[in-house]
Amino acid sequence: DIQMTQSPSSLSASVGDRVSITCRASQDISNYLAWFQQKPGKVPQLLIYAASTLQSGVPSRFSGSGSGTDFTLTISSLQPEDVATYYCQKYDNAPLTFGGGTRVEI
Amino acid sequence: QVQLVQSGAEVKKPGALVKVSCKASGHTFTTSYIHWVRQAPGHGLEWMGVSNPTYTTAYAQSFQGRITMTRDTSTSTVYMELRSLRSEDTAVYYCSSGLGSIAVYWGQGTLVTVSS
Repeated sequence: DIQMTQSPSSLSASVGDRVSITCRASQDISNYLAWFQQKPGKVPQLLIYAASTLQSGVPSRFSGSGSGTDFTLTISSLQPEDVATYYCQKYDNAPLTFGGGTRVEI
Repeated sequence: QVQLVQSGAEVKKPGALVKVSCKASGHTFTTSYIHWVRQAPGHGLEWMGVSNPTYTTAYAQSFQGRITMTRDTSTSTVYMELRSLRSEDTAVYYCSSGLGSIAVYWGQGTLVTVSS
């Protein structure tokens, strides 16, 4: 099975900072990569799919890039409401493995 | 709009089984992939499996032999049954659906507690 590795596992940044989270697949998954945001005690929400397509309603400060095995989620200007844990997930074929998550704090 | 409504919280003893339901509305159930994801307390998201619109299923290796997903088209409901429960199965269980295998929509989550 393909493994998904996220880094860092946690980060602390200031309001307005540019933040990047990486996700690496153990094999080529083309662009079948989604990013989710989960705030404490809440249901995960889709941010980005197809590696770089912003889900409707998601603020434009979120962006995704990459293909093949290496992917990045970027928050261009961190806001207080972005405090959450972020997960990547491959969805090319089963199993649809998640990365281990990145906790973002301010 | 699309809604996924899950059944309520459950408390089970070790060795028992649990069956969680996920009722869909607002989209074409017959063509929807319904995934199940769980999250143990303080842990990350774990994909469990998928019920495909063709009535086929695919399960994560770690659940093989203990999990069954079924769908009832007449009520637009998918069921996830997990057997031989152990304490490590204590988690919030989510169903999700959306664009093919992309989890756009999520249920509210069902807490399953396994305790003697």
